Amino acid sequence: AQSVTQLDSQVPVFEEAPVELRCNYSSSVSVYLFWYVQYPNQGLQLLLKYLSGSTLVKGINGFEAEFNKSQTSFHLRKPSVHISDTAEYFCAVRYSNTGNQFYFGTGTSLTVIP
Amino acid sequence: ETGVTQTPRHLVMGMTNKKSLKCEQHLGHNAMYWYKQSAKKPLELMFVYNFKEQTENNSVPSRFSPECPNSSHLFLHLHTLQPEDSALYLCASSQPGTGSYEQYFGPGTRLTVT
Repeated sequence: AQSVTQLDSQVPVFEEAPVELRCNYSSSVSVYLFWYVQYPNQGLQLLLKYLSGSTLVKGINGFEAEFNKSQTSFHLRKPSVHISDTAEYFCAVRYSNTGNQFYFGTGTSLTVIP
Repeated sequence: ETGVTQTPRHLVMGMTNKKSLKCEQHLGHNAMYWYKQSAKKPLELMFVYNFKEQTENNSVPSRFSPECPNSSHLFLHLHTLQPEDSALYLCASSQPGTGSYEQYFGPGTRLTVT
């Protein structure tokens, strides 16, 4: 079965420190990978995506993620976080054999501490 | 209006009520989705419409009834709901066949069933 795992449900980090949010997925087929951010009382906003090509992708707000096929991972990183980065982050996977359907992780709540 | 809009943003209803959630996308997309977001659980895909035709129904109870009158509008009709149906209901849209794959989300409707 297809699954997406975000091992860390909550990540507290001090302002201006680096952060990594982890995402692993099950896969036996090609995948397309996404990170979304959700601020309180809002919908999901796309941060970045990997479709093909370079395994290091850059997104909005200084975030980047690296696709690692051998480890079936797509971890999200930011070298220096701001208070405004406090939000819920979701990893999502679209498998090449499941049409339009996305599979989401359970989310990681990032809290930036002043 | 731009992007994906949802109304109402908040809804409180009794178990015997009938209500409807509305979603409208202004992106020219041809695929629309309903998701249920509950705390500490992955987003649950409920329904998918491609070019106004329902293509996915992920074992959703019949007390939820979708309607897609055109490619810009999507409704979720609710009747005789249960307290466990309380959640954030998210609408999303995408454009099939373009290679971009990402889904664009609305802000959601926070539903409380009393």
